[in-house]
This record gives sequence, structure tokens and C-alpha cells, in this order.
Amino acid sequence: AQSVAQPEDQVNVAEGNPLTVKCTYSVSGNPYLFWYVQYPNRGLQFLLKYITGDNLVKGSYGFEAEFNKSQTSFHLKKPSALVSDSALYFCAVTPEDNQGGKLIFGQGTELSVKP
Amino acid sequence: KAGVTQTPRYLIKTRGQQVTLSCSPISGHRSVSWYQQTPGQGLQFLFEYFSETQRNKGNFPGRFSGRQFSNSRSEMNVSTLELGDSALYLCASRVGVSGANVLTFGAGSRLTVL
Repeated sequence: AQSVAQPEDQVNVAEGNPLTVKCTYSVSGNPYLFWYVQYPNRGLQFLLKYITGDNLVKGSYGFEAEFNKSQTSFHLKKPSALVSDSALYFCAVTPEDNQGGKLIFGQGTELSVKP
Repeated sequence: KAGVTQTPRYLIKTRGQQVTLSCSPISGHRSVSWYQQTPGQGLQFLFEYFSETQRNKGNFPGRFSGRQFSNSRSEMNVSTLELGDSALYLCASRVGVSGANVLTFGAGSRLTVL
């Protein structure tokens, strides 16, 4: 079955420290990969995507993600976390038929950045 | 540029009733997708419309339906509401149907079924 796994329900980081939010996927072919962030009582906001090319993708607000095809992973990273980064983060992937309108989402990782 | 607008933002219904949610996409976006978000099941795809035609449908019962109008605005309807339908319903639009096109989400409609 096609799926996305975010193994950590919560990640706690001190402000100024680097952060990593993990994502692995199980979709055959060459799916497209996305990261979204959700703040309380808000919809999802797009952070970045991997389509093809360089495995390191840079996105909004200083976030980046590293695509690793052999490990089927797409981990989200930021060199220096801010308190304002605290939110719910979702990894998503297009299904095997690459229908981008029906993304498969992970369960989400709650990021908490403490001062 | 206005974002994706969903109405109403909050609503309370009772079991057995029906509900209609509305979504106005970003101007120029012709694809609209709907997702259900719950604490237990996470984000689940409901359906996608493009040019007034349903392109894809998720694994939801027939009580969930939708449509898209010629101006790309979309509505979804849930009939015979059940307690388990309580959720945040998110609408997202994108300019086309390529897998690489980014979904832009609205703030959602939070439905509570009593």
C-alpha cells in the first residue's frame, strides 16, 4: 500500500539549534514530495517540494529538505530553529499515478521550539 | 492575490442533517481538491475537480459528494451526518493538474456533529 511515515509524533528543539523532521515514503516510481506546515486553526502552508534534480531542496522560511531515493526518505531540516517555527509539519507524496490533487499525507509531526 | 476562501469557517450540525461547504479557489486556479482532517485518521483525500469534472475520488461513502462550477468555485456536501464526520474540511486549489503543481490550502471549515 502507498504510504508516508513520519516516525516522530513530536520533536522538541531549543531555539538556535538545528532541527530535523523525518519522513519516509512507500510509493513506487518517481513520486513528487512535499512539505507543508500547519499553524493552529489554519490551513496547510506549502514549504517546499522535490520534483527532480538536486537532492537538496531549499524552501520557505529557511527550511530545506534532503531527498534520498535509496532510503525513500525526505527529511525536513533547518540549521537554526526559531520559536515561531513551532507548528505541525506534514510530509506528502503524490501517488503512483502522480495525481497531484490527491496527495498522500503523513500523520504529522508536532515541532516545539523552546527559547 | 486573494487566497483560497472557505465558508463557513465553523458550523455545528446534528446527526442525520446534511451540510454544504463552499470553496473559492485562487483566481486562475482551475483544480480544486477536498481533504478531511481528523486527529485519528489525519489528512484524507476526498475528491478533486477540474473544469467542472471530478477527476479523482477518495475512499469515502456516497454520502460525501461535491461539484464544481464554471467559475471554478466548488462545494462539497455531506448528507445524513454521523458523529464521525466531525472534522476540519480543507479545500485546496492549484493552477493545473500536473503532479508538480502545488496545492494552496484554505483555512478550512470545522464541522462539529452532535
